[in-house]
Amino acid sequence: TQLLEQSPQFLSIQEGENLTVYCNSSSVFSSLQWYRQEPGEGPVLLVTVVTGGEVKKLKRLTFQFGDARKDSSLHITAAQPGDTGLYLCAPPGSGGYNKLIFGAGTRLAVHP
Amino acid sequence: ETGVTQSPTHLIKTRGQQVTLRCSSQSGHNTVSWYQQALGQGPQFIFQYYREEENGRGNFPPRFSGLQFPNYSSELNVNALELDDSALYLCASSRTVRGGNNEQFFGPGTRLTVL
Repeated sequence: TQLLEQSPQFLSIQEGENLTVYCNSSSVFSSLQWYRQEPGEGPVLLVTVVTGGEVKKLKRLTFQFGDARKDSSLHITAAQPGDTGLYLCAPPGSGGYNKLIFGAGTRLAVHP
Repeated sequence: ETGVTQSPTHLIKTRGQQVTLRCSSQSGHNTVSWYQQALGQGPQFIFQYYREEENGRGNFPPRFSGLQFPNYSSELNVNALELDDSALYLCASSRTVRGGNNEQFFGPGTRLTVL
């Protein structure tokens, strides 16, 4: 069974700060997805990283897939209150038939 | 294009009761997956329905069951409710095509409280 560990569990910062959250596993993944879940909503896909060492940018969000494809990081530059939410990682299609196995997530609060 | 919708938004039940949650998939999608998200946790896969049949199941007991209808909407039924069943239940729809795993789009969830 794949185990995804996300760290930190909680992060509370002020607007304008930078932050990095991590997703680690002992398993090798063919790809990894990052989601953001806002209060009262379902998770929304942010990005899929596929190639070891790959870096993808989405405005102020930078996603990196580890060279060995066992870990990934999400860096947010100049965080804004709208970035508040639960950040989840999951390898897509793991275990066959397109099911997602999520980590416990990092809960981010950005204060004005 | 209508997104994934779920009903009801909130529900309170007592131990031992039964509950039915509903999900309407996004237009053009033929697959529905259900997830349970306990407080402070990530979503846990319950099962998936494709072409009106269960297409995979997570580590949940048989009292969790489901249906998919010809219009691809789906129901999640939970019998003999336990306190630990209190959670946010998420439905996600996707389009299954041969050889591909496509993006899952999540609904806003149903918050179930078991007293």
